[in-house]
Amino acid sequence: DARVTQTPRHKVTEMGQEVTMRCQPILGHNTVFWYRQTMMQGLELLAYFRNRAPLDDSGMPKDRFSAEMPDATLATLKIQPSEPRDSAVYFCASGDRGDTEAFFGQGTRLTVV
Amino acid sequence: AQSVTQLDSQVPVFEEAPVELRCNYSSSVSVYLFWYVQYPNQGLQLLLKYLSGSTLVKGINGFEAEFNKSQTSFHLRKPSVHISDTAEYFCAVNNQGGKLIFGQGTELSVKP
Repeated sequence: DARVTQTPRHKVTEMGQEVTMRCQPILGHNTVFWYRQTMMQGLELLAYFRNRAPLDDSGMPKDRFSAEMPDATLATLKIQPSEPRDSAVYFCASGDRGDTEAFFGQGTRLTVV
Repeated sequence: AQSVTQLDSQVPVFEEAPVELRCNYSSSVSVYLFWYVQYPNQGLQLLLKYLSGSTLVKGINGFEAEFNKSQTSFHLRKPSVHISDTAEYFCAVNNQGGKLIFGQGTELSVKP
């Protein structure tokens, strides 16, 4: 059963600490999305990649957030330093073509205290 | 730039009643349209999609949606809802370049 895997599922950290979230896209998928979900803002697109290259990261705060794909099986989203306003659920999704649906992981619930 | 507007943030409805969740989009180019459902503490899963062809699209769990290009709408409907349909529903648009943008979501609450 192919699925997008995100780790960790939950993370509580102190303000100022570095946070790394990982995503394993479905094997063979060449598009990876990172979304942030909050009550106030809903689902915001932070960045997306095609064939490991970033196509758009305009939704991401550049001063503290970074997203990479070290290889085709791993996508990472880092926050350094973290702040309480970064508390949210972060979703990774993957797709096999630019025009078909995205398959979502279960999300990482981040709490910054 | 593309955008999606879901006109209702919350929709309460009684079990076995029909429901319509509204979605409007804006884009300067042709788009693909999607509806996703999110159950509590879960990721999103696809209900249905419109890529081309027939404007009436049928999805899982008895849902369907109609693409109306002139009104730039993609409303989701179900003729008879169940308690288990209680969830948050998201409309999304892809501008064919791969950028997938979501609306704010509509919380569907089905009451017995």
